[in-house]
Amino acid sequence: GAGVSQSPRYKVAKRGQDVALRCDPISGHVSLFWYQQALGQGPEFLTYFQNEAQLDKSGLPSDRFFAERPEGSVSTLKIQRTQQEDSAVYLCASSLKQGGYEQYFGPGTRLTVT
Amino acid sequence: AQTVTQSQPEMSVQEAETVTLSCTYDTSENNYYLFWYKQPPSRQMILVIRQEAYKQQNATENRFSVNFQKAAKSFSLKISDSQLGDTAMYFCAFMTPNGGGADGLTFGKGTHLIIQP
Repeated sequence: GAGVSQSPRYKVAKRGQDVALRCDPISGHVSLFWYQQALGQGPEFLTYFQNEAQLDKSGLPSDRFFAERPEGSVSTLKIQRTQQEDSAVYLCASSLKQGGYEQYFGPGTRLTVT
Repeated sequence: AQTVTQSQPEMSVQEAETVTLSCTYDTSENNYYLFWYKQPPSRQMILVIRQEAYKQQNATENRFSVNFQKAAKSFSLKISDSQLGDTAMYFCAFMTPNGGGADGLTFGKGTHLIIQP
């Protein structure tokens, strides 16, 4: 079956622009996670959804970052007024049940802010 | 807060050899999960193996096995009969279960494993 998909795969934004990154989880998966992976580093947790409810957003680095999952399926991570330090790969993962015990990752979106 | 440490930034072995990747973690929790993920150059993260902290028996998946030492907070990955396709970044990760939700995964910085022909 289809895995987790993310779009776009690559995004170049000028500093100050807003961007929106999309994640399509595996159909039926309850839990959805966003991670940020800087170059040469491990992923870092950003936020977690259980269905449409955002239960944890403690990892979002600033109030410029906003995530939503309005119908409990597709999720969008929005970054307003992008800064150079936002350049990273943004990974989405989904899990069948609540708790995220086994997470399936998408290919990521590489964001470059110039 | 939990931390995960991978002390080997890069390792290189010959094809068919056995290699062990190290991982240590720090937590005050008693119930948690540990994972090894593989990230090939294409970037998609793949789960290699997982271990529940309450299980004493070390997890194995074909050529992959772990050495879980709970008291020492150590969780190493052994790859037997290494293959060229094993070349990738390997990340050790930690998670605490949360009955009402999830804490997300805490990752180490990764080990770049290179399998030489």
